[in-house]
This record gives sequence, C-alpha cells and structure tokens, in this order.
Amino acid sequence: ETGVTQSPTHLIKTRGQQVTLRCSSQSGHNTVSWYQQALGQGPQFIFQYYREEENGRGNFPPRFSGLQFPNYSSELNVNALELDDSALYLCASSPSLVGGGTYNEQFFGPGTRLTVL
Amino acid sequence: GIQVEQSPPDLILQEGANSTLRCNFSDSVNNLQWFHQNPWGQLINLFYIPSGTKQNGRLSATTVATERYSLLYISSSQTTDSGVYFCAVDFNDYKLSFGAGTTVTVRA
Repeated sequence: ETGVTQSPTHLIKTRGQQVTLRCSSQSGHNTVSWYQQALGQGPQFIFQYYREEENGRGNFPPRFSGLQFPNYSSELNVNALELDDSALYLCASSPSLVGGGTYNEQFFGPGTRLTVL
Repeated sequence: GIQVEQSPPDLILQEGANSTLRCNFSDSVNNLQWFHQNPWGQLINLFYIPSGTKQNGRLSATTVATERYSLLYISSSQTTDSGVYFCAVDFNDYKLSFGAGTTVTVRA
C-alpha cells in the first residue's frame, strides 16, 4: 500500500511569484486536505477536496487555490507569494468524510518546505 | 471559540522515564488523533482515538470524550521518542484542528 506522497520536497521562490505543490493520496482514499505549518506552530487547515470539489476551507485568502483530479491526486496553488507564506505545506488523505462514514483517520505526506525570499 | 490545548508545552525526560501528555478540547469530537512529528517534518500517526483506550508498544492513549480530554502515555522513554507530539481534533467539521504541540526531549 503506497502512502501519501508530495512533491517537491523543498522549494525556494521570491515574493510575487506563483507556486504549485502536488500530492498523491494513499491508495483507497478519495479525500485530500492541505495544511500550512509555520515554524514552531501546529498545522493550520487550508482546504479539503472530495470528488474533485472543494469541501471546506480555512481562513486563507483566495490566492490559495487547489484542484483534485479523477485519480484523487491534488494540487495546491499559491499566487502572489508573500514572505509569510514560507512554511511547511502538508497534504493529508483520508477515506471519504462524506456520506455517513464514521472512520476518517487522516494520513499525512512528508510535506513540501517552501521558502519565500 | 473551538480550542485544542496541549500541556505541557515542553518536556525533558531521562531515558527510561515515563510521561503523560494531555490534550483538552472545547467541544464534542468526531475524531481525535495523536501524531509524532519527526525532525524532518513528517507527521507519524500514533493513534486514532475519538474515545476509549488504545495501546501500541510503549505508547498508549486514552480519550474521555464526555470530559473533553485525551492523554498520551509514553513508558520507558527512548531517545528516538524525542520530537513534537500533536493532538488534532475533528469537531464534526471535516478538518483537523491542531494543538500547539508538546516538545519532548529524551536525554541518554
């Protein structure tokens, strides 16, 4: 069984640029969530995708956007990068959280460390 | 507002010691997970425990949902147990809300 994978591992960008981060969900999981973890803090929820549609969003501006593909992989796009966007970006996959299921354990990928200069 | 509070923020242990980490949460939960974050940032699943007690080797966890707290026990600690431990809660809103974490340092 393949776990959650993310790419790239590290990324350095400058202010104002755009970035795309990628995530492949664990086998059998159709729900993907993205989190941002600033240094010294706990992860913060960005948004979640289920069946290629956004299923919830945290307190992040619209320049944070995402996609989910038919194979359940996902992308996180950030436009107009700011210095405060420097963080570890974590992707998590889980079995369906919609439709009455009760088991919804989330499994995380290794993360992408983004540095904005 | 909805909150997840972890204590203590920092814990220094001598190898072989036992410890208890606590997570308090402010509302009823659909899911509660404990994670260990290694130095490279990977969140390792320790327990999925919305209620009850579970054990996995030297680690065990108990969640008392009616009293809104969860405990993580580490017994006979080893240097490899060092790292940050997070409690994360799903307040029936599909996302995980994380506590600030407990940083554990185990000294040889």
